[in-house]
This record gives sequence, structure tokens and C-alpha cells, in this order.
Amino acid sequence: TQLLEQSPQFLSIQEGENLTVYCNSSSVFSSLQWYRQEPGEGPVLLVTVVTGGEVKKLKRLTFQFGDARKDSSLHITAAQPGDTGLYLCAGAMVKAAGNKLTFGGGTRVLVKP
Amino acid sequence: DAGITQSPRYKITETGRQVTLMCHQTWSHSYMFWYRQDLGHGLRLIYYSAAADITDKGEVPDGYVVSRSKTENFPLTLESATRSQTSVYFCASNNRRLNTEAFFGQGTRLTVV
Repeated sequence: TQLLEQSPQFLSIQEGENLTVYCNSSSVFSSLQWYRQEPGEGPVLLVTVVTGGEVKKLKRLTFQFGDARKDSSLHITAAQPGDTGLYLCAGAMVKAAGNKLTFGGGTRVLVKP
Repeated sequence: DAGITQSPRYKITETGRQVTLMCHQTWSHSYMFWYRQDLGHGLRLIYYSAAADITDKGEVPDGYVVSRSKTENFPLTLESATRSQTSVYFCASNNRRLNTEAFFGQGTRLTVV
């Protein structure tokens, strides 16, 4: 059982549609990060959310951190083929030693033209 | 070149052999991490290091050994490779401050036959 559960595991949509990816846990995190990974590459940070209830926007991407800092969501508006990739959430535990991140299982997004 | 680099990018080895994966970063980041990525499991932490000569186990350390004699290098050794260690391995680093971005290498795809 993973500490961070992402859903759905796979999402296939048409260009122009909206999508939401969820990241849920029973644990409290000091911060939560979202990464995007393309084939053959390492994950690259999209955003870090720190405050409960925080909402951050990055162009067509909207990230939300739950009030209790246990969950987060990523919403993409008017998805484009360039948004295709593996989206990973990662949480830093409140009392974690060593700046450790715990990753969710990932959501694979495919945006078809 | 600046950044974090892993070598080799691809490796095929036989069961029982020892293999070492290399990781080098040029930012002088304090923290370095080794993750493995498998379908359905996301990224799982193997070992991490807070500084030179300081290492600690992560979630899945069995069968792996690490060392960190210099800040910039963090090699991962599989002492006696098993088929279950077939995976993509990612090295990452970040600095001391909390909630900062983890920078990932491009990964090493290891196949144990």
C-alpha cells in the first residue's frame, strides 16, 4: 500500500478537453510537489505547494493543496498533446529526516490530437 | 557540464554479478538520493545521503550498497544482482532547505538476466 495514492492511473483524452489528477493520503505533509516525467527522462518539478488550501496556477495547470495538507489535485484546462506524460505527486513528511520525498504511483496522461 | 548525470544509461548484467551505477552532481547539493521506478510502484527510495560519509536506508534498501566519499558522487552497488532488481534507477539531489526541488538524472535502465 502506497502512502500517496494517485488516481486515475491512466487517462486518455482528446486535445481541448480538461482533466484532473488526484493525489491522496492519510498522512499530513509539510509540502507536496508535482513532477512531470517524459519517456527516457527523469522527473522535472512543476510546482511545490506548502500551505493548506493553497492554489497555484501555471498557465493551463492549476494545483491545489488540501486544507488538511493530506491531498492535492492537478487540473489541466484545454489539454494539448504536449501535456502528454507521467505526472507524479511527491510529499515531504512533516517529520521526515533528510529532505525525503514519498512519491505516488503516477498518472499516465495521453492527450490525443 | 553542470547538472546531475548518471552512468551508464543502459546496462544488462547476469544474475549474481556485482554492478555499480554512478551518479555525479555539480551543484554541491548536500542531499542525494537513489530511487527505483517500476510499473505500478512509482518511485521508491532505496538509499539517501545527507552529506559526504552520511548515508541512510530508504524504503527498499535490501540488496543495495551505497557510499559517498565525496559530495558530488553517490554510487549505488548491487552486490549480487537478482532479476527482481531489473528496473529504472534514478539518482536525485537537493540542497538543505526544506521543500526544495529534487533534481533528477536521466536514469539508468538495468536489466538482470
